[in-house]
Amino acid sequence: ETGVTQSPTHLIKTRGQQVTLRCSSQSGHNTVSWYQQALGQGPQFIFQYYREEENGRGNFPPRFSGLQFPNYSSELNVNALELDDSALYLCASSLGAGGYADEQFFGPGTRLTVL
Amino acid sequence: GNSVTQMEGPVTLSEEAFLTINCTYTATGYPSLFWYVQYPGEGLQLLLKATKADDKGSNKGFEATYRKETTSFHLEKGSVQVSDSAVYFCALSYGNQFYFGTGTSLTVIP
Repeated sequence: ETGVTQSPTHLIKTRGQQVTLRCSSQSGHNTVSWYQQALGQGPQFIFQYYREEENGRGNFPPRFSGLQFPNYSSELNVNALELDDSALYLCASSLGAGGYADEQFFGPGTRLTVL
Repeated sequence: GNSVTQMEGPVTLSEEAFLTINCTYTATGYPSLFWYVQYPGEGLQLLLKATKADDKGSNKGFEATYRKETTSFHLEKGSVQVSDSAVYFCALSYGNQFYFGTGTSLTVIP
């Protein structure tokens, strides 16, 4: 069974640019969530997708957007990058009806640095 | 709003000591509560969970009881091992949202 994978591992961008991060869910999982984790902090919930539809969103501006594909892989897009967007971005998948009591399986993260 | 407040770290214990990591929450309804753990060099993984009041989650010798009256979900283990050294995160889910605490780093020394 393949776990959650994310790409790329590291990324460096400049302020104002756009970035796309990718996530492959664990086999059979139909729900994916994205988190932002600043250094020394806990993960902050960005949004969740269930069967290709956004199923909940945290307190992040619209320049953070996402997609989930029919194979349940996912993308996180961030436009107009700001210095404060520098963080570890985590993807987590779960098996369920978009429920929020399900165990989430986390990927290793993508480290984004904005200069 | 909803939030999780977690005991500040870092925590250093000797092997076989008793562990408590405090977690309290604020929620407008009845959330599900979780403890996630991150071992060195690894991703976050679920340690235990409880989905309703008075439920006790347990795994690998760790326990936490969902206390509605005190809005708490403290993590305990009777005898820690060196292999328990990790960062522990308390989390809640409610109303299509997830909230994580800031994490508590635990180091167990032989």
